[in-house]
Amino acid sequence: DSGVTQTPKHLITATGQRVTLRCSPRSGDLSVYWYQQSLDQGLQFLIQYYNGEERAKGNILERFSAQQFPDLHSELNLSSLELGDSALYFCASSAYMNTEAFFGQGTRLTVV
Amino acid sequence: AQTVTQSQPEMSVQEAETVTLSCTYDTSESDYYLFWYKQPPSRQMILVIRQEAYKQQNATENRFSVNFQKAAKSFSLKISDSQLGDAAMYFCGIAGGTSYGKLTFGQGTILTVHP
Repeated sequence: DSGVTQTPKHLITATGQRVTLRCSPRSGDLSVYWYQQSLDQGLQFLIQYYNGEERAKGNILERFSAQQFPDLHSELNLSSLELGDSALYFCASSAYMNTEAFFGQGTRLTVV
Repeated sequence: AQTVTQSQPEMSVQEAETVTLSCTYDTSESDYYLFWYKQPPSRQMILVIRQEAYKQQNATENRFSVNFQKAAKSFSLKISDSQLGDAAMYFCGIAGGTSYGKLTFGQGTILTVHP
């Protein structure tokens, strides 16, 4: 157990809908990262937050957004969902910017 | 920009034998870190080993070791005394010096361990 908690573990939704994925980092970790793992794109970095502020952006679609709250948990919001958004979404956390990241178990999103 | 290439989509090894997984990378950063993560069927991403690019000595973690060739931009993973529990997808990743968690990953290598 990495100490990073993601909810829900599985999510099935219809095209056009909006979902929110939640991540609780390890206790005390200030940095949160979101990744998407799909068959065609592999494992891709989406976005990073550090102590509530956005620090880096990767290949994140405009339909997707994220935030990190004062208690350091983070949410990834996916809207206007398409079939191609079906993927495994990982959250990872690290104590600081220059320490290793620990991954959660992921949320499996299926868009039908 | 950073890229990582894992040229072996699949590898197999007999239990107790040694296997080496290949990884090459490219980066414009002068300061960076290299990682190997393991993803078993449970989907959990587990850090196996990491290497700081400024260190010449190859990293070792029990049965896992790396062969880091900086000039060749190569970072291979050697698994000794392979065990059934080593069967997984292995991802090679690189992170720039400012953030260990902002990783660029390769496409992965599926490792099968035969009893």
